Amino acid sequence: AIRMTQSPSSFSASTGDRVTITCRASQGISSYLAWYQQKPGKAPKLLIYAASTLQSGVPSRFSGSGSGTDFTLTISCLQSEDFATYYCQQYYSYPALTFGGGTKVEIK
Amino acid sequence: QLQLQESGPGLVKPSETLSLTCTVSGGSISSSSYYWGWIRQPPGKGLEWIGSIYYSGSTYYNPSLKSRVTISVDTSKNQFSLKLSSVTAADTAVYYCARLPTLEQYNWFDPWGQGTLVTVSS
Repeated sequence: AIRMTQSPSSFSASTGDRVTITCRASQGISSYLAWYQQKPGKAPKLLIYAASTLQSGVPSRFSGSGSGTDFTLTISCLQSEDFATYYCQQYYSYPALTFGGGTKVEIK
Repeated sequence: QLQLQESGPGLVKPSETLSLTCTVSGGSISSSSYYWGWIRQPPGKGLEWIGSIYYSGSTYYNPSLKSRVTISVDTSKNQFSLKLSSVTAADTAVYYCARLPTLEQYNWFDPWGQGTLVTVSS
């Protein structure tokens, strides 16, 4: 199974900061990667697919990049509503799908 | 707007079978464009794909759970269901259902149900 490793597992940031979250695959997955945002007590919400394509309705301050084994999710100017946990998911090995362990973005 | 809603017992005894249903509204579960999946999240932990089903009944399961999982579909009710047998405390989690496109390179989950917490305890 393809393992997805996110780093860091958590960190603190301030409103207005530029933040970057990393996701690494245990083998090459081309651009077959999605990012989700999850707030406490809520279901995950799709942010980005195909590594860099923004889902409809998602603010443009979110962006994704990468291919192969290394990927990043960037929030250009952190807003209060962005404090949440973020997960990556690979679908290269579809139908076997795996998620990263999550990165929690907390308020500094 | 497509919506998914999980339902089922919130408490299951160890060694028994967990049973959940996902009801799809605002769209047909018989669409040829989608699989329907189950994902779970233990308290304070990450997400784990459990399995997926097509309206025809074709299924895929996570190898780590395959021996205990059965996913079925009822197109007449626009529902699909999850059964997980021989549960232990490690199966305590929020269980989500979600839609999954069939087209290769489009295999992300969207939308998701709100989730339902299932606790395994005597």
